[in-house]
Amino acid sequence: GAGVSQSPRYKVAKRGQDVALRCDPISGHVSLFWYQQALGQGPEFLTYFQNEAQLDKSGLPSDRFFAERPEGSVSTLKIQRTQQEDSAVYLCASTAPPGQGVYEQYFGPGTRLTVT
Amino acid sequence: DAKTTQPPSMDCAEGRAANLPCNHSTISGNEYVYWYRQIHSQGPQYIIHGLKNNETNEMASLIITEDRKSSTLILPHATLRDTAVYYCIVRVAEEYGNKLVFGAGTILRVKS
Repeated sequence: GAGVSQSPRYKVAKRGQDVALRCDPISGHVSLFWYQQALGQGPEFLTYFQNEAQLDKSGLPSDRFFAERPEGSVSTLKIQRTQQEDSAVYLCASTAPPGQGVYEQYFGPGTRLTVT
Repeated sequence: DAKTTQPPSMDCAEGRAANLPCNHSTISGNEYVYWYRQIHSQGPQYIIHGLKNNETNEMASLIITEDRKSSTLILPHATLRDTAVYYCIVRVAEEYGNKLVFGAGTILRVKS
């Protein structure tokens, strides 16, 4: 079946612009995660949704970062007034519901954001 | 989550076994060892996980020491497509919604 998809794959933004990154999780997956990966480093957790509820946003680096998942499926990560340090790959992952095997996270290909 | 220590890089000849070590000396009794890998320009991919017994699947084998302070991921017959960054992660149980805490991982280069 289809995996996790993300769009756009690449985004170039001028400093100060707002951006919106989209994640389409695997159908039926109720848990959704966002991670940020700086160049040469491992991914770092940003936020977690269970259905439409944002249960953990402890990793969001500032109040310029905002995530939503209004209908419990597609999620959007929004970054306001982008800064150069926001340049990174943003990864989305989803997990199958309880009782459906291993709680592995299925990752999308990521969105590479470059802020100039 | 407990921290892990991995070598920054390793080389392996194509067709040979790749053995990737991981130290997790502060692992708790309810923490599992997970392995993910990330091929260039892709998202991380789950490989295998275990608690205390050795595990094997179609991708790899996981050997966990009896004291659980270290483990080894084994790719039995490495191919060029196995070139990737391999992450060893310890994680509390199989909790629904539990985030992954990645370290720097090991860059595995498989060479022909």
